[in-house]
Amino acid sequence: KQEVTQIPAALSVPEGENLVLNCSFTDSAIYNLQWFRQDPGKGLTSLLLIQSSQREQTSGRLNASLDKSSGRSTLYIAASQPGDSATYLCAASGSGGGADGLTFGKGTHLIIQP
Amino acid sequence: NAGVTQTPKFQVLKTGQSMTLQCAQDMNHEYMSWYRQDPGMGLRLIHYSVGAGITDQGEVPNGYNVSRSTTEDFPLRLLSAAPSQTSVYFCASSYLGVQGASEEHFGDGTRLSIL
Repeated sequence: KQEVTQIPAALSVPEGENLVLNCSFTDSAIYNLQWFRQDPGKGLTSLLLIQSSQREQTSGRLNASLDKSSGRSTLYIAASQPGDSATYLCAASGSGGGADGLTFGKGTHLIIQP
Repeated sequence: NAGVTQTPKFQVLKTGQSMTLQCAQDMNHEYMSWYRQDPGMGLRLIHYSVGAGITDQGEVPNGYNVSRSTTEDFPLRLLSAAPSQTSVYFCASSYLGVQGASEEHFGDGTRLSIL
């Protein structure tokens, strides 16, 4: 059974800092890995999707990497802003072509201090 | 496009009552799924569907039924509500692209309380 772990559980940093969120998974036979953002009381917004054949994806100030062999992914946020405050979730798909749902970590609660 | 629409947004039930959580997507996505989110447990997969007429169980299927008669709709039925089913329920959809499954699109959730 796939297990996904996110470290740290919570993080508070001053505005402007670069930061790294970590995600590890136990079964390397994943189809893809996704990073989501969740604001309080809201649904999930997809940030980045990394297919199993890829090593990284970038969108604006966000960069996500994937190392299947070590079972790790990282989300790098550059020049953090107060608007980045949210809970960040990573999720691994199964080997069933991505059609059989995702296994989520419990998230990192991020606070960016103005 | 509305994306993934979930109704109702809030619901309070009594133990033993039944109800259906509605989920509809207008993006013609093949894949749809239901998750529940509980404090300290994260999101867990309840049921999923890879197309109309095809459904399968996820990690926590007990007490829930699903059906998928159309591509657009994927309702979740609680047969006999229990306090342990108090949770926030999310519906999601995705499609099969050239490089594989796309990113998941989530609805805004249904907040369900069972008394």
